[in-house]
Amino acid sequence: AQSVTQPDIHITVSEGASLELRCNYSYGATPYLFWYVQSPGQGLQLLLKYFSGDTLVQGIKGFEAEFKRSQSSFNLRKPSVHWSDAAEYFCAVRGSGGGADGLTFGKGTHLIIQP
Amino acid sequence: GAGVSQSPSNKVTEKGKDVELRCDPISGHTALYWYRQSLGQGLEFLIYFQGNSAPDKSGLPSDRFSAERTGGSVSTLTIQRTQQEDSAVYLCASSEGVDSARAFFGQGTRLTVV
Repeated sequence: AQSVTQPDIHITVSEGASLELRCNYSYGATPYLFWYVQSPGQGLQLLLKYFSGDTLVQGIKGFEAEFKRSQSSFNLRKPSVHWSDAAEYFCAVRGSGGGADGLTFGKGTHLIIQP
Repeated sequence: GAGVSQSPSNKVTEKGKDVELRCDPISGHTALYWYRQSLGQGLEFLIYFQGNSAPDKSGLPSDRFSAERTGGSVSTLTIQRTQQEDSAVYLCASSEGVDSARAFFGQGTRLTVV
């Protein structure tokens, strides 16, 4: 069974600083990988996804993530954060074989932006 | 509709009561998914529908949980005899075909059992 680990429960970053959120997955083959953001009282919004091809994936709101098979990682990055980026971020994985399989999520990283 | 709609947005219920949570998927989406987001467990996949059929109900937490979908559209998640550990945000998602990787999420229903 697949699993996702987000090692950092909370991260605090100053506005304008760079950001990296860590995600490690466990899956036997090449997975489908996702990053979602959840703002207070909001549903999950997809930031970006990796299915195959270029391992550096560009997403919305200036986010990017890099798939590193050797490290089983899919870290999310942003060069300069804005106060509006404060939210909960979830990494997720799904096996590439079955569309009916639900996504497996990490427990999330809470991002705090300092002025 | 324009997006996945869930109702109610918030529900407070007394322990032991039954609750129904509703999900209205994006128009034309044949697949629908339910997830639960709780403090202790994070986000868990519960069940999916292809049309009105749910092929695998093993992800439902207990036999107090049931889900149905009628007319290939609206789905209802019912929790009988609610317990405090059922307190969570219940998220619904839908997709055009059965592919959870391409699903869009609703804003969720926050259920509090007191």
